Amino acid sequence: DTEVTQTPKHLVMGMTNKKSLKCEQHMGHRAMYWYKQKAKKPPELMFVYSYEKLSINESVPSRFSPECPNSSLLNLHLHALQPEDSALYLCASSHPPREGTDTQYFGPGTRLTVL
Amino acid sequence: DQQVKQNSPSLSVQEGRISILNCDYTNSMFDYFLWYKKYPAEGPTFLISISSIKDKNEDGRFTVFLNKSAKHLSLHIVPSQPGDSAVYFCAASLAGNQFYFGTGTSLTVIP
Repeated sequence: DTEVTQTPKHLVMGMTNKKSLKCEQHMGHRAMYWYKQKAKKPPELMFVYSYEKLSINESVPSRFSPECPNSSLLNLHLHALQPEDSALYLCASSHPPREGTDTQYFGPGTRLTVL
Repeated sequence: DQQVKQNSPSLSVQEGRISILNCDYTNSMFDYFLWYKKYPAEGPTFLISISSIKDKNEDGRFTVFLNKSAKHLSLHIVPSQPGDSAVYFCAASLAGNQFYFGTGTSLTVIP
């Protein structure tokens, strides 16, 4: 199984809402990533978890809060977002650095619209 | 500042001909390079990779070439097929942890 799943596929939320994005993989990968992709732009790294610990936070605003409850799951909690946060949010997983190939496998993404 | 660049936003190729997608990078510390293919409304799909210790890697119709002195890599697709039409991103890895993506090249293969 080389699949990364993400739910929901689409999400529309107001600026005062609290919502969560979910990501799951069963490839035994111990590194998981959140990316944000705006239209016609490359994916931008937000967070990296390695062995369920946050290892990289690319100066992401605190209204985005990641969580890695176990080695298969990665959540992104959203609160008080702004309209400019509307984007495709991609989850990816891989073996931890230098412990296998560095190939990242991506989920299909969650299309987020903030009104 | 963009560390990985794809200077051609789009490319059109006749079916059966060769497609060549190019990518340049600025950081000589990058040690692993990947190409991803992306269809609309889907996440990127891994295509092929190359380690910095190699200069060529081939997988079926796809070949990636790495020129470290020029900080340049390219993806060759031969023969091109209509199903290859997609956006192609190159990505570079720094110590396997941080990935930097190019801006993408939209490939159209004309039947």
